[in-house]
Amino acid sequence: NAGVTQTPKFQVLKTGQSMTLQCAQDMNHNSMYWYRQDPGMGLRLIYYSASEGTTDKGEVPNGYNVSRLNKREFSLRLESAAPSQTSVYFCASSARRMNTEAFFGQGTRLTVV
Amino acid sequence: AQSVTQLGSHVSVSEGALVLLRCNYSSSVPPYLFWYVQYPNQGLQLLLKYTSAATLVKGINGFEAEFKKSETSFHLTKPSAHMSDAAEYFCAVSGDDYKLSFGAGTTVTVRA
Repeated sequence: NAGVTQTPKFQVLKTGQSMTLQCAQDMNHNSMYWYRQDPGMGLRLIYYSASEGTTDKGEVPNGYNVSRLNKREFSLRLESAAPSQTSVYFCASSARRMNTEAFFGQGTRLTVV
Repeated sequence: AQSVTQLGSHVSVSEGALVLLRCNYSSSVPPYLFWYVQYPNQGLQLLLKYTSAATLVKGINGFEAEFKKSETSFHLTKPSAHMSDAAEYFCAVSGDDYKLSFGAGTTVTVRA
């Protein structure tokens, strides 16, 4: 029972490079999320997808794009990485109900130099 | 829109002492509140959630939280801290948009 799987776990990019973070869930959840975690700031929502075929911006969407490839997969793309995007990125999924919790992946630690 | 504020970015307790982590929420609709725990280099794990069935909610690892509407609070407690409780704890709220909003987190250190 894998839950939410993120790849890669670690990545170092040079400024200006692009990359895609992959996320897949096997719990048949409708909603998926991308968060970034920075010291002292908690988790901030980058983008979310309420259901297959829809995506919406969260608190900090600038510099990112997302694709909800199908119900299982939700990818996050950095087109031109900047040092300010150095962070730990978490993917999460949940059933589309208010009283249900989100399940998180193990995170991707990204460093942009 | 909904939000939560965690009071205190760092809490240090002795092993066996009470753990108290404070969370206040702001929500225009009846809130759904959660506490998550994050151990070093891991993802977030649900400790407990409030869903209006009961104001006192029991979670995993001996933690519990009490929902107080009059104080807009959802504080997390554990009567007796264990070394394994050292972690970062996050309060979160969701509303009718289904998005989770997190507090800034509280790091718990347990002294032997």
